[in-house]
Amino acid sequence: EAGVTQFPSHSVIEKGQTVTLRCDPISGHDNLYWYRRVMGKEIKFLLHFVKESKQDESGMPNNRFLAERTGGTYSTLKVQPAELEDSGVYFCASSVDRGNTEAFFGQGTRLTVV
Amino acid sequence: GNSVTQMEGPVTLSEEAFLTINCTYTATGYPSLFWYVQYPGEGLQLLLKATKADDKGSNKGFEATYRKETTSFHLEKGSVQVSDSAVYFCALSGKGGSYIPTFGRGTSLIVHP
Repeated sequence: EAGVTQFPSHSVIEKGQTVTLRCDPISGHDNLYWYRRVMGKEIKFLLHFVKESKQDESGMPNNRFLAERTGGTYSTLKVQPAELEDSGVYFCASSVDRGNTEAFFGQGTRLTVV
Repeated sequence: GNSVTQMEGPVTLSEEAFLTINCTYTATGYPSLFWYVQYPGEGLQLLLKATKADDKGSNKGFEATYRKETTSFHLEKGSVQVSDSAVYFCALSGKGGSYIPTFGRGTSLIVHP
């Protein structure tokens, strides 16, 4: 069974540019989460999808971030325009159930904004 | 809301030393508790978990016991190896409060030969 996969693994972009990150969850997992870790700090929640619906997007930092999950399958996270403080590692995770179950993580996308 | 507090790192040890990484939590209801590990250049992996009070999770020589009375889930290993060098994250999720996995800020472990 394939795990959670994320593309790209690394991205270096200039301030003001646009970047789109992609996450393919484990097949059959309705719950999909996006997290971000800025260097040396905690892994912070960004948002949660249940199938194609945004269940909770309270962690999204501002309106430069847009997440979608087409058809309840893969998800994209677009940052437009990117700022220096957006640099970090973006993790995607998926799970079968919403609580008391393991969330499986992708390897992360390291975003560097210069 | 839910929160997790981990000890500050980095933790630097010699090979075969005893490891403890402290983790305490605040949560409503009865969360499950997890330790995740991120090895250099890799993604997050679940190391161990415990779903109810007094449960002990264990894997790869690591152990952690769910202590409801002290709201703690400290990670221990009796004899660390160089290959254990990684960042360790304590986390919780549960139906009683937020079902969204909540993480601590991670503790970096460096093991020297």
